Amino acid sequence: KAGVTQTPRYLIKTRGQQVTLSCSPISGHRSVSWYQQTPGQGLQFLFEYFSETQRNKGNFPGRFSGRQFSNSRSEMNVSTLELGDSALYLCASSLVRQARGTEAFFGQGTRLTVV
Amino acid sequence: DQQVKQNSPSLSVQEGRISILNCDYTNSMFDYFLWYKKYPAEGPTFLISISSIKDKNEDGRFTVFLNKSAKHLSLHIVPSQPGDSAVYFCAATVPGNTPLVFGKGTRLSVIA
Repeated sequence: KAGVTQTPRYLIKTRGQQVTLSCSPISGHRSVSWYQQTPGQGLQFLFEYFSETQRNKGNFPGRFSGRQFSNSRSEMNVSTLELGDSALYLCASSLVRQARGTEAFFGQGTRLTVV
Repeated sequence: DQQVKQNSPSLSVQEGRISILNCDYTNSMFDYFLWYKKYPAEGPTFLISISSIKDKNEDGRFTVFLNKSAKHLSLHIVPSQPGDSAVYFCAATVPGNTPLVFGKGTRLSVIA
Protein backbone atom coordinates (compact mmCIF):
# COMPACT_ATOMS: atom_id res chain seq x y z
CA LYS A 1 0.00 0.00 0.00
CA ALA A 2 1.12 3.57 -0.58
CA GLY A 3 3.17 5.23 2.12
CA VAL A 4 2.93 8.70 3.59
CA THR A 5 3.11 11.34 0.87
CA GLN A 6 4.36 14.83 1.52
CA THR A 7 4.23 17.65 -1.00
CA PRO A 8 6.11 19.55 -2.11
CA ARG A 9 9.48 17.92 -1.49
CA TYR A 10 11.40 21.18 -1.66
CA LEU A 11 10.44 24.80 -1.14
CA ILE A 12 12.29 28.08 -1.14
CA LYS A 13 10.52 31.04 0.40
CA THR A 14 11.43 34.57 1.39
CA ARG A 15 11.31 35.93 4.92
CA GLY A 16 7.86 37.25 5.77
CA GLN A 17 6.04 34.99 3.35
CA GLN A 18 3.78 32.14 4.37
CA VAL A 19 3.88 28.53 3.31
CA THR A 20 1.52 25.54 3.29
CA LEU A 21 2.78 21.97 3.38
CA SER A 22 0.66 18.93 2.67
CA CYS A 23 0.64 15.39 4.03
CA SER A 24 -1.42 12.43 2.83
CA PRO A 25 -1.29 9.61 5.40
CA ILE A 26 -1.36 5.90 4.72
CA SER A 27 -4.84 4.81 3.70
CA GLY A 28 -6.89 4.05 6.80
CA HIS A 29 -4.62 5.96 9.15
CA ARG A 30 -6.43 8.63 11.09
CA SER A 31 -3.65 10.26 13.08
CA VAL A 32 -1.20 12.68 11.52
CA SER A 33 1.66 14.29 13.41
CA TRP A 34 4.10 16.91 12.24
CA TYR A 35 7.74 17.26 13.24
CA GLN A 36 10.44 19.78 12.48
CA GLN A 37 13.95 18.48 11.97
CA THR A 38 16.92 20.80 12.19
CA PRO A 39 20.60 19.87 12.53
CA GLY A 40 20.90 21.40 15.96
CA GLN A 41 17.63 20.23 17.52
CA GLY A 42 16.81 16.88 16.00
CA LEU A 43 13.12 16.08 15.56
CA GLN A 44 10.77 18.35 17.45
CA PHE A 45 7.05 17.73 17.70
CA LEU A 46 4.79 20.38 16.20
CA PHE A 47 1.26 18.99 16.50
CA GLU A 48 -0.94 15.94 16.12
CA TYR A 49 -4.30 15.74 14.40
CA PHE A 50 -6.83 12.98 14.81
CA SER A 51 -10.35 12.97 13.41
CA GLU A 52 -9.92 16.54 12.17
CA THR A 53 -9.08 17.84 15.66
CA GLN A 54 -5.76 18.98 17.02
CA ARG A 55 -4.97 16.66 19.91
CA ASN A 56 -1.50 17.72 20.95
CA LYS A 57 0.65 20.74 20.32
CA GLY A 58 4.36 21.21 20.74
CA ASN A 59 6.21 24.27 21.92
CA PHE A 60 6.12 26.33 18.74
CA PRO A 61 4.83 29.88 18.19
CA GLY A 62 1.36 30.55 16.86
CA ARG A 63 2.81 31.18 13.40
CA PHE A 64 2.74 27.41 13.04
CA SER A 65 -0.73 26.02 12.49
CA GLY A 66 -2.34 23.03 10.90
CA ARG A 67 -5.53 21.31 10.03
CA GLN A 68 -6.83 17.91 9.05
CA PHE A 69 -9.51 17.14 6.53
CA SER A 70 -12.21 14.48 6.62
CA ASN A 71 -10.09 12.19 4.43
CA SER A 72 -7.30 12.46 7.06
CA ARG A 73 -5.06 14.52 4.80
CA SER A 74 -3.34 17.25 6.73
CA GLU A 75 -1.81 20.60 5.99
CA MET A 76 0.49 22.72 8.06
CA ASN A 77 0.93 26.44 7.58
CA VAL A 78 3.74 28.70 8.66
CA SER A 79 3.08 32.42 8.44
CA THR A 80 5.56 35.29 8.52
CA LEU A 81 8.48 33.01 7.77
CA GLU A 82 11.77 33.53 9.57
CA LEU A 83 15.23 32.31 8.59
CA GLY A 84 15.15 29.93 11.55
CA ASP A 85 12.15 28.13 10.07
CA SER A 86 14.43 26.55 7.50
CA ALA A 87 14.19 22.84 8.25
CA LEU A 88 12.95 19.47 7.11
CA TYR A 89 9.28 19.12 8.01
CA LEU A 90 8.21 15.53 8.55
CA CYS A 91 4.75 14.13 8.70
CA ALA A 92 3.98 10.85 10.44
CA SER A 93 0.80 8.84 10.21
CA SER A 94 -0.51 6.13 12.48
CA LEU A 95 -3.61 4.02 12.60
CA VAL A 96 -4.81 5.41 15.90
CA ARG A 97 -3.63 8.17 18.18
CA GLN A 98 0.02 8.11 19.09
CA ALA A 99 0.48 5.84 22.03
CA ARG A 100 3.10 3.41 23.21
CA GLY A 101 3.31 0.50 20.86
CA THR A 102 1.93 2.43 17.95
CA GLU A 103 4.46 2.88 15.24
CA ALA A 104 4.50 6.11 13.37
CA PHE A 105 5.17 5.92 9.65
CA PHE A 106 7.02 8.93 8.32
CA GLY A 107 6.91 10.60 4.95
CA GLN A 108 10.03 11.75 3.12
CA GLY A 109 9.58 15.28 4.36
CA THR A 110 9.44 18.74 2.86
CA ARG A 111 12.70 20.65 2.85
CA LEU A 112 11.88 24.32 3.46
CA THR A 113 14.53 26.94 2.90
CA VAL A 114 13.82 30.52 3.96
CA VAL A 115 16.03 33.17 2.37
CA ASP B 1 15.61 21.19 27.89
CA GLN B 2 16.48 17.99 26.04
CA GLN B 3 14.62 15.11 27.69
CA VAL B 4 16.16 12.52 25.37
CA LYS B 5 19.87 12.87 24.75
CA GLN B 6 22.10 11.21 22.22
CA ASN B 7 25.47 12.57 23.16
CA SER B 8 27.44 11.09 20.28
CA PRO B 9 26.67 12.92 17.04
CA SER B 10 28.55 10.33 15.03
CA LEU B 11 30.04 6.85 15.23
CA SER B 12 32.25 4.87 12.84
CA VAL B 13 32.44 1.09 12.97
CA GLN B 14 34.06 -1.52 10.78
CA GLU B 15 31.87 -3.92 8.89
CA GLY B 16 31.23 -7.09 10.86
CA ARG B 17 31.89 -5.47 14.25
CA ILE B 18 29.36 -4.38 16.84
CA SER B 19 27.79 -0.92 16.73
CA ILE B 20 26.57 0.48 20.03
CA LEU B 21 24.42 3.59 19.99
CA ASN B 22 23.57 5.21 23.28
CA CYS B 23 20.68 7.27 24.54
CA ASP B 24 20.02 8.89 27.92
CA TYR B 25 16.76 10.32 29.18
CA THR B 26 15.78 12.56 32.04
CA ASN B 27 12.03 12.08 32.32
CA SER B 28 11.29 9.22 34.70
CA MET B 29 7.73 9.07 33.35
CA PHE B 30 8.93 7.69 30.02
CA ASP B 31 7.79 4.10 29.78
CA TYR B 32 8.24 3.20 26.12
CA PHE B 33 11.29 3.68 23.97
CA LEU B 34 11.83 3.38 20.24
CA TRP B 35 14.67 3.55 17.77
CA TYR B 36 14.23 4.97 14.29
CA LYS B 37 16.66 4.84 11.40
CA LYS B 38 16.87 7.58 8.80
CA TYR B 39 18.59 7.54 5.42
CA PRO B 40 19.27 10.82 3.59
CA ALA B 41 16.26 12.13 1.66
CA GLU B 42 13.95 9.64 3.39
CA GLY B 43 11.75 9.82 6.45
CA PRO B 44 12.68 7.94 9.63
CA THR B 45 11.63 4.30 9.75
CA PHE B 46 10.81 2.36 12.88
CA LEU B 47 13.50 -0.11 13.90
CA ILE B 48 12.84 -1.58 17.34
CA SER B 49 11.15 -0.68 20.60
CA ILE B 50 11.17 -1.63 24.26
CA SER B 51 8.73 -1.25 27.09
CA SER B 52 9.96 -0.16 30.50
CA ILE B 53 8.85 -3.48 31.96
CA LYS B 54 11.62 -5.17 30.01
CA ASP B 55 15.36 -4.69 30.00
CA LYS B 56 16.10 -6.24 26.62
CA ASN B 57 14.43 -6.71 23.27
CA GLU B 58 15.92 -8.45 20.25
CA ASP B 59 15.02 -8.41 16.60
CA GLY B 60 17.52 -10.13 14.37
CA ARG B 61 20.77 -8.20 14.37
CA PHE B 62 19.28 -5.44 16.52
CA THR B 63 19.03 -5.52 20.31
CA VAL B 64 17.92 -2.72 22.57
CA PHE B 65 18.91 -2.69 26.23
CA LEU B 66 17.20 -0.58 28.85
CA ASN B 67 18.71 0.38 32.21
CA LYS B 68 15.95 2.20 34.08
CA SER B 69 17.99 3.02 37.13
CA ALA B 70 20.57 4.78 34.96
CA LYS B 71 17.90 6.19 32.62
CA HIS B 72 19.92 4.81 29.75
CA LEU B 73 19.23 2.70 26.73
CA SER B 74 21.44 1.40 23.99
CA LEU B 75 21.01 -0.13 20.57
CA HIS B 76 23.39 -2.90 19.57
CA ILE B 77 23.80 -3.90 15.94
CA VAL B 78 25.67 -7.15 15.38
CA PRO B 79 27.21 -7.68 12.91
CA SER B 80 27.25 -4.18 11.43
CA GLN B 81 26.75 -3.91 7.68
CA PRO B 82 27.43 -1.03 5.28
CA GLY B 83 23.66 -0.73 4.70
CA ASP B 84 23.29 0.16 8.37
CA SER B 85 24.97 3.51 7.71
CA ALA B 86 22.28 6.04 8.60
CA VAL B 87 21.19 8.44 11.33
CA TYR B 88 19.65 6.69 14.31
CA PHE B 89 17.12 8.46 16.50
CA CYS B 90 16.15 7.41 19.97
CA ALA B 91 12.60 8.32 21.00
CA ALA B 92 10.52 7.98 24.14
CA THR B 93 6.96 8.44 25.24
CA VAL B 94 4.95 8.60 28.45
CA PRO B 95 1.70 6.69 28.96
CA GLY B 96 -1.32 7.95 27.10
CA ASN B 97 -1.77 9.68 23.78
CA THR B 98 1.36 11.74 23.86
CA PRO B 99 3.84 12.54 21.13
CA LEU B 100 7.19 10.91 20.70
CA VAL B 101 10.13 12.82 22.15
CA PHE B 102 13.20 12.38 20.00
CA GLY B 103 16.90 12.75 20.58
CA LYS B 104 19.09 14.66 18.13
CA GLY B 105 20.31 11.51 16.43
CA THR B 106 23.61 9.69 15.94
CA ARG B 107 25.11 9.25 12.49
CA LEU B 108 26.47 5.72 12.11
CA SER B 109 29.00 4.98 9.40
CA VAL B 110 29.85 1.34 8.79
CA ILE B 111 33.11 1.06 6.91
CA ALA B 112 33.67 -1.89 4.61
